[in-house]
Amino acid sequence: KQEVTQIPAALSVPEGENLVLNCSFTDSAIYNLQWFRQDPGKGLTSLLLIQSSQREQTSGRLNASLDKSSGRSTLYIAASQPGDSATYLCAVRIQGAQKLVFGQGTRLTINP
Amino acid sequence: SAVISQKPSRDICQRGTSLTIQCQVDSQVTMMFWYRQQPGQSLTLIATANQGSEATYESGFVIDKFPISRPNLTFSTLTVSNMSPEDSSIYLCSTKDRGFNGGYTFGSGTRLTVV
Repeated sequence: KQEVTQIPAALSVPEGENLVLNCSFTDSAIYNLQWFRQDPGKGLTSLLLIQSSQREQTSGRLNASLDKSSGRSTLYIAASQPGDSATYLCAVRIQGAQKLVFGQGTRLTINP
Repeated sequence: SAVISQKPSRDICQRGTSLTIQCQVDSQVTMMFWYRQQPGQSLTLIATANQGSEATYESGFVIDKFPISRPNLTFSTLTVSNMSPEDSSIYLCSTKDRGFNGGYTFGSGTRLTVV
C-alpha cells in the first residue's frame, strides 16, 4: 500500500528565505507526482506536476524535484513571501490506477 | 486544465439531515473523483464517478451514506446522508486535466459543519 509522508508538518520562516519541503513515498511504482497548495478552508491549486520519467519541474520561484528510486520529492521555494503562506500537499498517482494518494501536508508560514 | 465550479462553498447543517454538493466542469470528462478532508487531515478518496455507471467506492465508504450521481460528462453530485458531527469536513471534487499529462484539477471545496 502506497504511503506518502511530508516533513516537516509545519514550518515558519522569515520573509525572503529560501526553503525546502520534503515528500517521501513508499512505492516507487508511480505514474507521476503533483504538488498542490491549499489555503485555509479552500480547495487545492496545482503547483507542479512531475512525470515519473522526469527529474524536476520549475514554475517561477518554485522548483520540484523527483527521485523515484529513493521515493523522494522536494519542493524548493525561492525568496519566500508572506503570500506563500499556505498548506502544501504532495500527491502521487499510482501506476495502473487513477486515484491520488496524498501526504498530510506541510503548513508553511512566512513572517513579514 | 479543466475548471471546476463547486457549490455550496460552505454550509452548516443539523445532524440527521442530508446535503448535496454539486460540481460542474467546463468540459466533458470521463471520470470525476470525490475526496474528503477531515479537520487537520489530508485528503481521502471517497469514490470515483463515471458517467452512465455506478460509482466505485473506496474501502470505508458506502453508497447509502455517500450517494453519487453522474448524469452527464460535465456534472456530478455527492450527497452526505444522515449527517453526524463526524461528517464535518471539507469535501472536494476532482477531475483529470485535459490532455495526457496525468495531472488533476480540484474544485474549490465545500466546508461542511454538522451541529
